[in-house]
Amino acid sequence: NAGVTQTPKFRILKIGQSMTLQCTQDMNHNYMYWYRQDPGMGLKLIYYSVGAGITDKGEVPNGYNVSRSTTEDFPLRLELAAPSQTSVYFCASTKHRQGEYSNQPQHFGDGTRLSIL
Amino acid sequence: AQTVTQSQPEMSVQEAETVTLSCTYDTSESDYYLFWYKQPPSRQMILVIRQEAYKQQNATENRFSVNFQKAAKSFSLKISDSQLGDAAMYFCAYRSLYSGGGADGLTFGKGTHLIIQP
Repeated sequence: NAGVTQTPKFRILKIGQSMTLQCTQDMNHNYMYWYRQDPGMGLKLIYYSVGAGITDKGEVPNGYNVSRSTTEDFPLRLELAAPSQTSVYFCASTKHRQGEYSNQPQHFGDGTRLSIL
Repeated sequence: AQTVTQSQPEMSVQEAETVTLSCTYDTSESDYYLFWYKQPPSRQMILVIRQEAYKQQNATENRFSVNFQKAAKSFSLKISDSQLGDAAMYFCAYRSLYSGGGADGLTFGKGTHLIIQP
């Protein structure tokens, strides 16, 4: 089972460049999330999506954009890369019904290590 | 907003012994979920155990168990018979009970680095 797949695994960008981090899941999960993990810290929520066509900001959305055109894919876009965006990025997904108990755990991808130089 | 605090940046335990990792949290909600995730050097985030706040019984998963003290807002993880493969970063995480709005993501602590001494 593939689960949550993130590409690329590593990337180095120059300041001001743009790129898209890809995330796809094959579990038919409706909820998807993007987190970042800075050194020595826990994960922080960047954006999330409750289904195709619906996205919303998390705790640290500045400098990022997302889209959700299909259930499977949830790409994260960096438009103007800055050194502060050097981090490890995790995509996650889960399945539950809005308004109901959200007892399902989130399934995580293996992360993308991004360095901005 | 909820916060999660892990006060032990690093813990060390002898193989086969028991270790307890601490986690406290702050919330105004009465119902929620708590999780422990393990992150080995491979960087994967692996669910270890979860606890529903409305359940009084502490969750257990084989060698892993929790001590959930709702009034104290404490959620510690006990690992029995520690094994070398348990060496990893351990993250405590909080999630609101209901989905929707800004409650959908997990709120993580900073993590505890667990070292297993052979």
